[in-house]
Amino acid sequence: EIVLTQSPGTLSLSPGERATLSCRASQSVSNSYLAWYQQKPGQAPRLLIYGASSRATGIPDRFSGSGSGTDFTLTISRLEPEDSAVYYCQQYGSSPQTFGQGTKVEIK
Amino acid sequence: QVQLQESGPGLVKPSETLSLTCTVSGGSFNNYYWTWIRQPPGKGLEWIGYISYTGTTNYNPSLKSRVTISVDTSKNQFSLQLTSVTAADTAMYYCARNSAWFAYWGQGTLVTVSS
Repeated sequence: EIVLTQSPGTLSLSPGERATLSCRASQSVSNSYLAWYQQKPGQAPRLLIYGASSRATGIPDRFSGSGSGTDFTLTISRLEPEDSAVYYCQQYGSSPQTFGQGTKVEIK
Repeated sequence: QVQLQESGPGLVKPSETLSLTCTVSGGSFNNYYWTWIRQPPGKGLEWIGYISYTGTTNYNPSLKSRVTISVDTSKNQFSLQLTSVTAADTAMYYCARNSAWFAYWGQGTLVTVSS
């Protein structure tokens, strides 16, 4: 199975700053079948990005995804207080689908 | 608006079978795949498996010997059974729509395995 490793484990930034989250796969993710989710405490994950770079419906354009092969990035261009959450990447290009272990974004 | 709602016992004894149902409302049930995902307390997400509205299934090999997912299109429901549970199966269990990325999720139901 494809193992996804996310870094850093925790990111602590101020409002207005740029956040760069990394997701590295143990083998190539076919067709860039990679998604990103945001999860706040007590809530189900919320889809942000699919197909590595397509924003889901209703997601602000400050969220963007990029990458291919084994290296993917989620960028939050200008952090807002409500962006405090854990972010997960997920690959669905090969079975079993797998998730990264998450990156926690803290807003100072 | 598509809504998913998990239901089932919140407490299951070790070695017994965990059974959950997800009821879908507000959208088409047919033409989609339906997935179960779980999250142990304080940990990450684990894909359990999916079923199509026609009954085609795909399970995580790590759970395959203990998992059955079934569908009842007449009730817009799909279900999860996990046998021989242990404390390691304690988790929030989510149902979701689709077999690839997941735009629609249930709120989740916490299942604790304890005697």
